[in-house]
Order: sequence, then C-alpha cells, then structure tokens
Amino acid sequence: GAVVSQHPSWVICKSGTSVKIECRSLDFQATTMFWYRQFPKQSLMLMATSNEGSKATYEQGVEKDKFLINHASLTLSTLTVTSAHPEDSSFYICSARDHQASGGARTDTQYFGPGTRLTVL
Amino acid sequence: QKEVEQDPGPLSVPEGAIVSLNCTYSNSAFQYFMWYRQYSRKGPELLMYTYSSGNKEDGRFTAQVDKSSKYISLFIRDSQPSDSATYLCAMSGLEDSSYKLIFGSGTRLLVRP
Repeated sequence: GAVVSQHPSWVICKSGTSVKIECRSLDFQATTMFWYRQFPKQSLMLMATSNEGSKATYEQGVEKDKFLINHASLTLSTLTVTSAHPEDSSFYICSARDHQASGGARTDTQYFGPGTRLTVL
Repeated sequence: QKEVEQDPGPLSVPEGAIVSLNCTYSNSAFQYFMWYRQYSRKGPELLMYTYSSGNKEDGRFTAQVDKSSKYISLFIRDSQPSDSATYLCAMSGLEDSSYKLIFGSGTRLLVRP
C-alpha cells in the first residue's frame, strides 16, 4: 500500500506556542489530504479537508484561525496549531486521498500517516 | 441514526478462531468500502478496499459488501494475537461530501493466545 509519513511523531510544547505538523505522501501524489483528531478510545474526528493549491475546508466547530492548514504541493500538507493550549492536546492524524480510474477499475481511498501526539503543558 | 453503525465490542476470541466483523450503513449512495486496522497510538492501516458490491480476499482476510442489504463484513481466518487491534469500517463516494470517509465507531478485537 501507499505510504504516508508524519513529522514529528510526538511533540511537547508550552501553552501559547505554535506547533507545525507535516504530512507527506511518499509514493503518490495527493491533491486532497485530510486532517483528523482522535481522543483516547474514540473514533477519528475529521477536522478539515486540505486541497492542493486552494484553501482548506473546515468541519463545523473547528476554528480555522487556530488550526492553519497549508497544502503547497501534491505531496505535502501542514497543520499548524497556533497558540496551543492544554485542551489542544490530542492525537493528530493525516491521510492522503488516492483516487484513480483506469479501465473498469476504480480506486478512491485514503492512506493514513502514523499520527502525531501533541501534549501542551 | 448514525450513517454507519458498528458494534464497538470488545470482541474476545481464542487464537485460531475465525473472526467476523460487521457494519451496516444507511446511505445507498456509498460506493467505496474499506476496512482499517488501528493499533493503540498508531494511525489506521488500510486492510481491505472494495468498490461496489462483491467479495475480496487477501491472505487471511476476506471483505464482503452487500449493497442490497447495506451491510459489509470483514472475516479474519486463523486469527493471531497480533490481530488484536481496533478495526474500523469506512465508506465514501458521496459526491456532495468531497469524498470524505465516513467511519464506524470501531470494534476492539482481542485474540487470546
């Protein structure tokens, strides 16, 4: 399967600072990437859809000025948590959409990164 | 009613057992169906992908999609302790939703040695 990397895998920061998380699709081009947040023992919560070369689309209740998303190339999307606070501590996961249609075969799925654990003190 | 329903478990089975995991959904427009495995503190790993209805087999894993019943299944044969994880069903294909994945809540599986 396709590989998606995330960096860093974990980060600890002080309250009020900003943290940038990178998501890269290593062996395919992804015009669309997604950012999720996951709390312990809960399913993934979609935060935003990141489209290459355009503004991200945020889910209801997600503050776009707090969670800045940039998708500057077909293989890289970044999520910046600005002025982080302890309540932002969570597991952040990105995914990259793999969409192909050739002949009768169609593929439309997402490959996930390994996640980034953010702890805000 | 949730768009995708999945029994959260936990499901505990002895090593070697056949495991059956299921999801039901309400929107007949879904076209793409996936099963992901997630270990604790890791990102989900794509296990099986199916477009439209039918069966798909990959090693010990078999995925089934029955669109007429809006029901999908994942079977794991000869289960191993390393299969212990949370299994998430997911589906997509709704053109008015930017092809987002809609997840089930996940089923925790424990395979006892």
